[in-house]
Amino acid sequence: GAGVSQSPRYKVTKRGQDVALRCDPISGHVSLYWYRQALGQGPEFLTYFNYEAQQDKSGLPNDRFSAERPEGSISTLTIQRTEQRDSAMYRCASSFPLAGGDGSYNEQFFGPGTRLTVL
Amino acid sequence: KQEVTQIPAALSVPEGENLVLNCSFTDSAIYNLQWFRQDPGKGLTSLLLIQSSQREQTSGRLNASLDKSSGRSTLYIAASQPGDSATYLCAVPYGGSQGNLIFGKGTKLSVKP
Repeated sequence: GAGVSQSPRYKVTKRGQDVALRCDPISGHVSLYWYRQALGQGPEFLTYFNYEAQQDKSGLPNDRFSAERPEGSISTLTIQRTEQRDSAMYRCASSFPLAGGDGSYNEQFFGPGTRLTVL
Repeated sequence: KQEVTQIPAALSVPEGENLVLNCSFTDSAIYNLQWFRQDPGKGLTSLLLIQSSQREQTSGRLNASLDKSSGRSTLYIAASQPGDSATYLCAVPYGGSQGNLIFGKGTKLSVKP
């Protein structure tokens, strides 16, 4: 697999349920990012990691949202007690150079996304 | 606060035309600018990354330019084809960590055969 993969591709859940979205970055990429995209809008930043360390979680909308990357590779974005307003496309990206260093070369590569629908 | 604007929001052209998509940003202190293509039901495909020290970058029929001082970037597509139909997004990293990409809303391009 050469690209970023995400699973599931589609998730339908009932309000109040917890969901876990998975991202598998490009092999060797040290930085991993989560974004959320509403219809007709560009993606909005949620959080990102360098290796296993969460560097910035300023975009997480509230404390129902959390993310982890325990071994510095695969990451999971968890949404607890989902609400209808959480419905969106959740996108993951990865990059090789460390974000926070010289960002000139920090090209981000995106996965296909997970479409979350909360009923 | 960094804001990214893309004009026009939608564009329809006949096949074979050359076209320009525009992207503007309010804070010129950027490290790079990235152009993406988004196809329905698919992820974002990175097209070009222009480093802050560069003025332009080329890939095939695509040419992107960057003018930091004026806060503008353009994506030039030569000899457009129906397969170029997609939404094109530009994004700049923002914040001290440079991990936070700020995106425009995109330009939806339709190339008619």
